[in-house]
Amino acid sequence: NAGVTQTPKFRILKIGQSMTLQCTQDMNHNYMYWYRQDPGMGLKLIYYSVGAGITDKGEVPNGYNVSRSTTEDFPLRLELAAPSQTSVYFCASSYRTGRPTYEQYFGPGTRLTVT
Amino acid sequence: EDQVTQSPEALRLQEGESSSLNCSYTVSGLRGLFWYRQDPGKGPEFLFTLYSAGEEKEKERLKATLTKKESFLHITAPKPEDSATYLCAVQVRTGTASKLTFGTGTRLQVTL
Repeated sequence: NAGVTQTPKFRILKIGQSMTLQCTQDMNHNYMYWYRQDPGMGLKLIYYSVGAGITDKGEVPNGYNVSRSTTEDFPLRLELAAPSQTSVYFCASSYRTGRPTYEQYFGPGTRLTVT
Repeated sequence: EDQVTQSPEALRLQEGESSSLNCSYTVSGLRGLFWYRQDPGKGPEFLFTLYSAGEEKEKERLKATLTKKESFLHITAPKPEDSATYLCAVQVRTGTASKLTFGTGTRLQVTL
């Protein structure tokens, strides 16, 4: 199993450009998540999905959009990129909630710079 | 508001010098507390889940413990390969998915 894969690894965007960060998992997990990690800050949840066709906002959703058409894929769309979106983006997945809780598995991240 | 605070921010140990990392939390309805390891330029790697006060889990040189207000990650006789950032996260009861609130991490450096 490859686990959670993300592309691209690095990207530089100009202000106002758009892009899609790709995330794929091969563990048949129901739940998928997008986080951003800024220096000195904890990981912040952007969006999450509990299954194909179902998504919801996390803590910091402004400026982003998501879709989930399959169990495996959960792309994150940035529209009109701004310098505040410079960050490292992590995708994660897990089986489900409930007890016991299932740990989230993270991808390797995408480092995005907006200039 | 749910809060997770990790201390110290950074810790430098000599090889073999045992120590503990702290994660204190203020949440309503803790469902689970997670410890992750993060190496530079990589995604967080799962280490432990703790569910209730008094619980302990071990993996090699690491042992995680949980009380009603905090968790400790004890590192016994660390080696240079234990150098990483250690993240703590809490999961709270919500209506939908497993949402985690993360601390800012403790950067651990183990030297020879």
